[in-house]
Amino acid sequence: QKEVEQNSGPLSVPEGAIASLNCTYSDRVSQSFFWYRQYSGKSPELIMSIYSNGDKEDGRFTAQLNKASQYVSLLIRDSQPSDSATYLCAVQGSGGYQKVTFGTGTKLQVIP
Amino acid sequence: NAGVTQTPKFQVLKTGQSMTLQCAQDMNHNSMYWYRQDPGMGLRLIYYSASEGTTDKGEVPNGYNVSRLNKREFSLRLESAAPSQTSVYFCASSDPSGGVNEQFFGPGTRLTVL
Repeated sequence: QKEVEQNSGPLSVPEGAIASLNCTYSDRVSQSFFWYRQYSGKSPELIMSIYSNGDKEDGRFTAQLNKASQYVSLLIRDSQPSDSATYLCAVQGSGGYQKVTFGTGTKLQVIP
Repeated sequence: NAGVTQTPKFQVLKTGQSMTLQCAQDMNHNSMYWYRQDPGMGLRLIYYSASEGTTDKGEVPNGYNVSRLNKREFSLRLESAAPSQTSVYFCASSDPSGGVNEQFFGPGTRLTVL
């Protein structure tokens, strides 16, 4: 079982719709969770961090965390073509150096 | 404020050649990291430096060495490049002192080993 699992996609949504990206993790004592956006040929860019169960909203982005189900998701409202990218889920475990493990990413395509 | 910078942006090596990838950050972060990213494999940690003067192996350290030159700079060296080291290399930095390890990435180096 991979430590952090994401559907590779592509996930295609029409412009203006809600895109829902999902991630599961295996380490029950994971502490913090991150979503990165990576455009093709570019480096990962941190867009959201979440630490507590529930929802955290930042503009059009909402991160949702359910530690009991070991599940974290990212919702993008009013999706725009500029949101087309690969979204990486990252999980901070309980290791001594606060190890962060990255998923392989979900490719999102927003169709105009 | 440049964040994390990396040089070079692109490099082509022949098998057996050596090279050093340079990374610098101006965010006063204690921790720095080197990752490689390959299709379908995600980001894999090569080496990290939790603080100035310390370095430790990550998930895939074989064939690499690192030097934490000072708080700002962290270099990655390939002593004898192999085709399996063809990849995109990212340097990252963070300040996990508050318990949350948000990492910030440089632009990457695209390395091809022939």
